[in-house]
Amino acid sequence: DVKVTQSSRYLVKRTGEKVFLECVQDMDHENMFWYRQDPGLGLRLIYFSYDVKMKEKGDIPEGYSVSREKKERFSLILESASTNQTSMYLCASSYTEAFFGQGTRLTVV
Amino acid sequence: AQSVTQLDSQVPVFEEAPVELRCNYSSSVSVYLFWYVQYPNQGLQLLLKYLSGSTLVKGINGFEAEFNKSQTSFHLRKPSVHISDTAEYFCAVTLSGGSYIPTFGRGTSLIVHP
Repeated sequence: DVKVTQSSRYLVKRTGEKVFLECVQDMDHENMFWYRQDPGLGLRLIYFSYDVKMKEKGDIPEGYSVSREKKERFSLILESASTNQTSMYLCASSYTEAFFGQGTRLTVV
Repeated sequence: AQSVTQLDSQVPVFEEAPVELRCNYSSSVSVYLFWYVQYPNQGLQLLLKYLSGSTLVKGINGFEAEFNKSQTSFHLRKPSVHISDTAEYFCAVTLSGGSYIPTFGRGTSLIVHP
């Protein structure tokens, strides 16, 4: 069974903290994505990666960075968490169709 | 760049009634089309996809969708819904030749009443 695994389902962090969200896929996909999901706004692309060490900004990259040191792992980094980054974060990998992790619900207080 | 419009943010329906969730897309080149479902506090899972071939696509859980190139639409249908179909549904598009970056609609909340 194909799988995308996100390291945490729920996280609570303080304003100003550095936050790491980890994602691992077992399908040998080259493409990996980080989306943010907010009510009424759907899924918005933060960053994507099409190969190891390769990354491209999506629609809302401000306040985020990413790391892809190995093909199976794609990390999202919030350099200094703020309350407006409270959201559901979804990782996906794809060839044609996307496979999603279970999501991480992040609350910044 | 491609875009996706889901025409209804919320669709209430009674159990065993038929339902249609509407999706229109915009793209100057050929696309692949997808419908995903999201249950509360879960990730998205694929319902069905159109890559090529027959324009009527059947998916899981009794759902189907029809690709209409002239109308640039990919509407999702089910002839008889169940309470368990209550979820958020997302339409998505990727370019058929390229980096396969999915662009999603804003979602339609399907609410099935007993």
